[in-house]
Amino acid sequence: GENVEQHPSTLSVQEGDSAVIKCTYSDSASNYFPWYKQELGKGPQLIIDIRSNVGEKKDQRIAVTLNKTAKHFSLHITETQPEDSAVYFCAASRQAGNQFYFGTGTSLTVIP
Amino acid sequence: DAGVIQSPRHEVTEMGQEVTLRCKPISGHNSLFWYRQTMMRGLELLIYFNNNVPIDDSGMPEDRFSAKMPNASFSTLKIQPSEPRDSAVYFCASSFTRGNTEAFFGQGTRLTVV
Repeated sequence: GENVEQHPSTLSVQEGDSAVIKCTYSDSASNYFPWYKQELGKGPQLIIDIRSNVGEKKDQRIAVTLNKTAKHFSLHITETQPEDSAVYFCAASRQAGNQFYFGTGTSLTVIP
Repeated sequence: DAGVIQSPRHEVTEMGQEVTLRCKPISGHNSLFWYRQTMMRGLELLIYFNNNVPIDDSGMPEDRFSAKMPNASFSTLKIQPSEPRDSAVYFCASSFTRGNTEAFFGQGTRLTVV
């Protein structure tokens, strides 16, 4: 099965700085890579996703990059704000099975 | 749509009691997932249904756990008998398989077994 690893487990940045979270996956058949943000007491919510036919995707201050050869993908948050503080999860899935395999999460703290 | 609806939001029960968690997926979605979240193990996939049929239950920890999906709009996760180590937040998520779309999560059920 798929194995998704995520680093770092905790990350603190000053407000306005950038934050980068990295994930690797093991199954070359995985072709869909969503990123979820989980705020305290809530379920994870999708913030951005990328498919294997694309190398980079951007949505305002959030961007995701994918390197299929190396089997890794990253989340980039620019101009961080205190409301970006949350736990972020990466995930990978195959189109056929649609099971989502999650990383272990990164707790991001943005210091005002 | 109101999103994925889980009930109850919080459950406190005594060891040995039966616990039933409920989930209503988003209308039209044909895949449903049950996850367990703990500090130690993160988000673990327990079981995955597609078109109401269990596809992969390899994540179900032991026979004390069972899940059903009698129709497209309802699923249950049952723990019998419950143990303190079952204390966790249990999430239900649903998605639409075609096109490989995102999974939408419910708010979770925080289970405490004392």
